[in-house]
This record gives sequence, structure tokens and C-alpha cells, in this order.
Amino acid sequence: EAQVTQNPRYLITVTGKKLTVTCSQNMNHEYMSWYRQDPGLGLRQIYYSMNVEVTDKGDVPEGYKVSRKEKRNFPLILESPSPNQTSLYFCASSWGLAGDNEQFFGPGTRLTVL
Amino acid sequence: GENVEQHPSTLSVQEGDSAVIKCTYSDSASNYFPWYKQELGKRPQLIIDIRSNVGEKKDQRIAVTLNKTAKHFSLHITETQPEDSAVYFCAPDNFNKFYFGSGTKLNVKP
Repeated sequence: EAQVTQNPRYLITVTGKKLTVTCSQNMNHEYMSWYRQDPGLGLRQIYYSMNVEVTDKGDVPEGYKVSRKEKRNFPLILESPSPNQTSLYFCASSWGLAGDNEQFFGPGTRLTVL
Repeated sequence: GENVEQHPSTLSVQEGDSAVIKCTYSDSASNYFPWYKQELGKRPQLIIDIRSNVGEKKDQRIAVTLNKTAKHFSLHITETQPEDSAVYFCAPDNFNKFYFGSGTKLNVKP
């Protein structure tokens, strides 16, 4: 089954404790992206990747890191989480380098930083 | 970055009526214009998209129209059904990035 998976689905952590949210897709998509969703703000793009070893900042990259060592995986790293990073996070992937095709979203990761 | 605005923020219609949601964007370089539907507690899913070389696209009860000159595109849902109740987002592209609108909550009353 074609899908995007994320882990963990729920995470409660404390300020400053490094964490990684994994994202994996099995559709051989080139473009992958991370979004955060906050009430009233829609989805905001954090980082995106057009291919292996190619990543770039989205609209709200501060406090986040990503890597793309393999085509299928695109982990999101919070090296020193803060309470303002409490949010719902979605990973997405799409065909093509520019991402201008249907984006398939993962199930979401609800992160709470205390 | 791109400035994207969606209107209205909430929309309540009677089952069977039509619904229209408008999305305005600021950068004329945008070429891809998708609409996503997000049901409560679920992930966003694409319902329809259009590219800049096309003015209108239809898929059964759903259509999207694009006015590149005025920099806006609209989602049209006809014969609305209760299962159309959800939040809808526009997300025009902008140099490989995507800027989502803040969403329109559609409530279809039976």
C-alpha cells in the first residue's frame, strides 16, 4: 500500500531534550516536506527536500533541522525543543522535483513540549 | 514569501446548496493551485488541483477556477452533502515551496 508513515504519533517531552520525528514514504517520491499545523494558521512549511542530499528552508525553519540521506526517509530533528514548538506536525511527499503534484500526507505527529 | 488569503473562514450551507471558497495569492510566479480537504482529526488530502495554463477544471461535484490576472482561484462544490463538512485549504506553490491558506471550515447542515 502506497503510504507516508510518521513516528511517533504522539510525543510529550521537556524543553531542551533533543528529539527526532521520522518520516518514510514507499512511493519513490522525490519531493518531501515537513509542515506544522497550529489553530487558525493553516499548515506552515518548515523544510522541504527536492531529492537526496537536497534540502531547503520553508517558511518557518527556525529551531528545526532535517536530513535526506535516502530517498524514502526525511527525519525532522528538534535539537533543543521549546514550548512554542508544541504543534501538530505533518510529513508529506509528492512526485517530481518541484513538488507541484499531489502531496500525500502522513498521519501526523502531535508534539507537546513542556 | 507568498501571501495567501482564504475567504470565508467559515461557511455554513444547507445540504444540496452550493459552496464557494476563494483563495487569493500575491506572487504571479505561482503555477500550481491545489485544494486540500481535512476532516476532523485526519490528514489533509488533495481534492482537486489546477495548473496555470488552465482556467477551469471539474471533477463531478467539485470544480476549481483560476484567474491568474487577478491572482485568485476558487473551489466550487455543488449539491453539498454532510460528508463535505471539513476544513478546506488552498496551497499555491511558489518556487518549490507551498503556502497554505488559513483554512475554511465548511459545515453542511442536513
